[in-house]
Amino acid sequence: NAGVTQTPKFQVLKTGQSMTLQCAQDMNHEYMSWYRQDPGMGLRLIHYSVGAGITDQGEVPNGYNVSRSTTEDFPLRLLSAAPSQTSVYFCASSSSGTGAETQYFGPGTRLLVL
Amino acid sequence: EDQVTQSPEALRLQEGESSSLNCSYTVSGLRGLFWYRQDPGKGPEFLFTLYSAGEEKEKERLKATLTKKESFLHITAPKPEDSATYLCAGRSGGTYKYIFGTGTRLKVLA
Repeated sequence: NAGVTQTPKFQVLKTGQSMTLQCAQDMNHEYMSWYRQDPGMGLRLIHYSVGAGITDQGEVPNGYNVSRSTTEDFPLRLLSAAPSQTSVYFCASSSSGTGAETQYFGPGTRLLVL
Repeated sequence: EDQVTQSPEALRLQEGESSSLNCSYTVSGLRGLFWYRQDPGKGPEFLFTLYSAGEEKEKERLKATLTKKESFLHITAPKPEDSATYLCAGRSGGTYKYIFGTGTRLKVLA
């Protein structure tokens, strides 16, 4: 049971490049989400999904795209990277059992956009 | 607008010196108040979920409590290994949107 895994751990991009951040979970959780964490800003929700084929926008969705074709995977796509997207990105998944909700986070992807 | 505010931003304690971290929230139809611990360079680690005012949960030296407007994370006789950033988040009713505070950076000195 690996929990939530993210790849890559580190990435450097040039402005305008695109890339996909990978996220996978092996806990059969319905809910998955992407956050970015910036100094002094806390964790901000980018996109989330409540099941395969269902996604919705969070607080800061612009410049990012997601899809959820399987329960296990929830990739985050940067369409045209900008320096403002330099951040640490966390993927999370959670169970939704009544009275037992627990959100598990991956180890993060550190992204630098030059 | 939903909001979660944590205080203080940073806290330094001597080993064994108990204290409390505060999380004030205005989250519509709160469907859970969550506490996490985050070590440098790592993802947040789940600690507690609280659902209703008056609820309390404990784990080792940590105890989380919830009122209608605030949650507290009490740390009893802390040790240096309790040093971390503690995050609080609320989930709004009817959605899966979690609103996070900016965290409290705790440093426990030996």
